[in-house]
Amino acid sequence: DAGVIQSPRHEVTEMGQEVTLRCKPISGHDYLFWYRQTMMRGLELLIYFNNNVPIDDSGMPEDRFSAKMPNASFSTLKIQPSEPRDSAVYFCASSLGDRAGETQYFGPGTRLLVL
Amino acid sequence: SQKIEQNSEALNIQEGKTATLTCNYTNYSPAYLQWYRQDPGRGPVFLLLIRENEKEKRKERLKVTFDTTLKQSLFHITASQPADSATYLCALVTGSQGNLIFGKGTKLSVKP
Repeated sequence: DAGVIQSPRHEVTEMGQEVTLRCKPISGHDYLFWYRQTMMRGLELLIYFNNNVPIDDSGMPEDRFSAKMPNASFSTLKIQPSEPRDSAVYFCASSLGDRAGETQYFGPGTRLLVL
Repeated sequence: SQKIEQNSEALNIQEGKTATLTCNYTNYSPAYLQWYRQDPGRGPVFLLLIRENEKEKRKERLKVTFDTTLKQSLFHITASQPADSATYLCALVTGSQGNLIFGKGTKLSVKP
């Protein structure tokens, strides 16, 4: 398997623009997670899905952030409108098992810079 | 409040020595704890998992201990090598349905 795939790897945009991050989890994995990593706050869980259903979105910063998982092999994280404080590395991870705390496999991340 | 603290932001050691990284937590009752390695520009990679009823786990040059009384996990790398230089993250899971909650990590540098 190719592992978790994320695109784009880098994104530079201007404040106010819409940003869409994409993730393809490992085939057969039940869980998909979106994280944000910054120097100040470390790795923060934004939202996670189980069998394509959002389970916990309490980490989503505000209404500007939304995530979808239309099928088992694809998820998006959208920021609209983007702000400079959204600049961070966004990771997608997936796992196999019957609970959210199983070993997670991370993608390479999307480095987002909002000017 | 709930906290996960990793002993220091950076740790510098000499090649061949044992590196010891600390993960302390407060106001959690973790069912198990995981350690991940993260290289610059990459996502974290799973290394080891230890459950609350296990005292110690080993994998090659890696050893993890878990003391639920002290609320602490120690991560050891014996005979360290420059290739071990990376950031190491601890993550814990509370309860049977909990998520992983990550510490901020410790950046380890092994000098030749």
